[in-house]
Amino acid sequence: AQRVTQPEKLLSVFKGAPVELKCNYSYSGSPELFWYVQYSRQRLQLLLRHISRESIKGFTADLNKGETSFHLKKPFAQEEDSAMYYCALRQEGFQKLVFGTGTRLLVSP
Amino acid sequence: DAGVIQSPRHEVTEMGQEVTLRCKPISGHNSLFWYRQTMMRGLELLIYFNNNVPIDDSGMPEDRFSAKMPNASFSTLKIQPSEPRDSAVYFCASNSRDRKNIQYFGAGTRLSVL
Repeated sequence: AQRVTQPEKLLSVFKGAPVELKCNYSYSGSPELFWYVQYSRQRLQLLLRHISRESIKGFTADLNKGETSFHLKKPFAQEEDSAMYYCALRQEGFQKLVFGTGTRLLVSP
Repeated sequence: DAGVIQSPRHEVTEMGQEVTLRCKPISGHNSLFWYRQTMMRGLELLIYFNNNVPIDDSGMPEDRFSAKMPNASFSTLKIQPSEPRDSAVYFCASNSRDRKNIQYFGAGTRLSVL
């Protein structure tokens, strides 16, 4: 069965510090990986997906199939990055997403 | 498009009452998902539909929960009878099988069962 693990419930950093939110997955096929972000009392929205290979709001994530990871990184955190971040996996040929339990990022001034 | 629309935004009810949550997916999307979000368990998929047909309801907690999708533009999630442990935020999401294949979420319904 597919599984997504986000080991940190809370990550607290100072503004300007680098950020890495960890995501590991278990799936034997070729997964599609996503990061969703939820700002305070707002809906979840897609931040980025591995097939796009783009940087959104300064965030990047690289799919590492050897380590089965899809960590989210940003070199310099901003206060407005404070939010809940969910990593998600979609199995080939399926529509449903399997989400991790989420990591709350707090960026302090 | 207004996006995925959920109603009500907030619902406060007493234990034992019936609760109905509503969702209007994005026009043209053929998959619809119901999720429950809690502090303890994060985001859990309850059920999803493809072309109005339930595909996977393995996440539905128990018989008190039921979901319907009578047409492509409307779905309901019903809890009867409700219990305090059902208190959570319930999200609806939809996506289409186009090139983007991205899941879009509604604003959620915050349910409090007293």
